[in-house]
Amino acid sequence: AQRVTQPEKLLSVFKGAPVELKCNYSYSGSPELFWYVQYSRQRLQLLLRHISRESIKGFTADLNKGETSFHLKKPFAQEEDSAMYYCALGTLNGGSQGNLIFGKGTKLSVKP
Amino acid sequence: NAGVTQTPKFQVLKTGQSMTLQCAQDMNHEYMSWYRQDPGMGLRLIHYSVGAGITDQGEVPNGYNVSRSTTEDFPLRLLSAAPSQTSVYFCASKIRSRGNTEAFFGQGTRLTVV
Repeated sequence: AQRVTQPEKLLSVFKGAPVELKCNYSYSGSPELFWYVQYSRQRLQLLLRHISRESIKGFTADLNKGETSFHLKKPFAQEEDSAMYYCALGTLNGGSQGNLIFGKGTKLSVKP
Repeated sequence: NAGVTQTPKFQVLKTGQSMTLQCAQDMNHEYMSWYRQDPGMGLRLIHYSVGAGITDQGEVPNGYNVSRSTTEDFPLRLLSAAPSQTSVYFCASKIRSRGNTEAFFGQGTRLTVV
């Protein structure tokens, strides 16, 4: 079964502290993974995709196929990072090609 | 370039009423989808479409209908609204591809059924 698990509903850190938002997935095919961010009452927007291996706003995420994980990390959190973060799995096989399966989300709160 | 546009932004319905949530995109994307966002549940796929004239069910399709007569538009219809359909609804579009493609989301429709 295709599934995305984000174990933390809420993560609260102080400004300047490191942040790691966890994401684990279950998928029999070759995974296509994303992190989306939703700032307060705004639309979801793409933050990172695993294939790009990029750093956006100081965030990075590495796909670990052995541990089936795609954790999001930032060494020094900023207050403007406070938002809801969703890990998403892109499905590539069969009739559901193109669908995104989302985790339940982690709300990150960065305190001053 | 407007991206993905949803209307209305807010709506209050009475139980049993019907309505249509509109979604339009101007990026010529083949793939469009509807999600509902509920606290503690994340985003769940309601229906999706891989092109004009083609639609299919997602994870939570009951109580909703869709059609895709044009590439640009993908309306979501609530047939007989129920309080359980109180949610925030997001429409998304993307290039249909086996590649790594970004989904673009609308700003959401906040629906309350009383």
